[in-house]
Amino acid sequence: DQQVKQNSPSLSVQEGRISILNCDYTNSMFDYFLWYKKYPAEGPTFLISISSIKDKNEDGRFTVFLNKSAKHLSLHIVPSQPGDSAVYFCAASGRGSSNTGKLIFGQGTTLQVKP
Amino acid sequence: NAGVTQTPKFQVLKTGQSMTLQCAQDMNHNSMYWYRQDPGMGLRLIYYSASEGTTDKGEVPNGYNVSRLNKREFSLRLESAAPSQTSVYFCASSEFSREHQPQHFGDGTRLSIL
Repeated sequence: DQQVKQNSPSLSVQEGRISILNCDYTNSMFDYFLWYKKYPAEGPTFLISISSIKDKNEDGRFTVFLNKSAKHLSLHIVPSQPGDSAVYFCAASGRGSSNTGKLIFGQGTTLQVKP
Repeated sequence: NAGVTQTPKFQVLKTGQSMTLQCAQDMNHNSMYWYRQDPGMGLRLIYYSASEGTTDKGEVPNGYNVSRLNKREFSLRLESAAPSQTSVYFCASSEFSREHQPQHFGDGTRLSIL
C-alpha cells in the first residue's frame, strides 16, 4: 500500500520554462511534507518543506503547493536550469509518527532540463 | 562539515556472508535512520533510532539488525546476506523534537549480494 505516490517516473522540460512535479498521498494523518533532490551516486538533499497548516511555501526558484482536500502536493521550479536535472522525491511525515520523525517516500520523478 | 558519513561506499558479498554498514553524524542529532533504495520504489525505512538507546523497526526490517552505539553512530548489520538485499543503503539523521525537521542523508552504501 503506497501511501505516497509520484505517478510520473520522468519529466523533461526546456531550460527557462517551469517544471511541475506532482505527488499524491493517502494518509490524512500526514502533516508535514518535504521534497528532496538526488543526484547520481549522492544521497538525497533536502530542498523544501511545507506544514499542513499552510498551502504554499516558497524558497527562491522553488515553490511547494499543498492541496489538503485533494491530498496532493506539487513542486514548481521556475525558471528551470540544467543543474536541476536530478531525481526528485516527495516525502511525508505525520502525527502518527510524531515522536520519531519517520518519513514515507514516493517513488521519485526524474527531471531532465534541456539546454 | 562532514554531516552524515557512511562506510563503506561499495561492497560485494556472497550469499550467507555477514557485514555491518557504518554511519556517523557530526550534527549532534538525536534521531537516526536507515533506508534502502530500490529501483522504482523510492526509499523505504528499515530501522530507526529516535534517540540514543532506542531502536525501532521501520517498514522493511526483516533480515537486518541495528545498533545505536552512541549519539553519533548507528550501524546496520546483515547477519546472513541474501540476493534480495542487493540495494543502495542510506543513513540519515535529524534533530526531531516536537517540531518536524528535515532529515540529512549520507551518500549511501552500494551493496551487491551474489
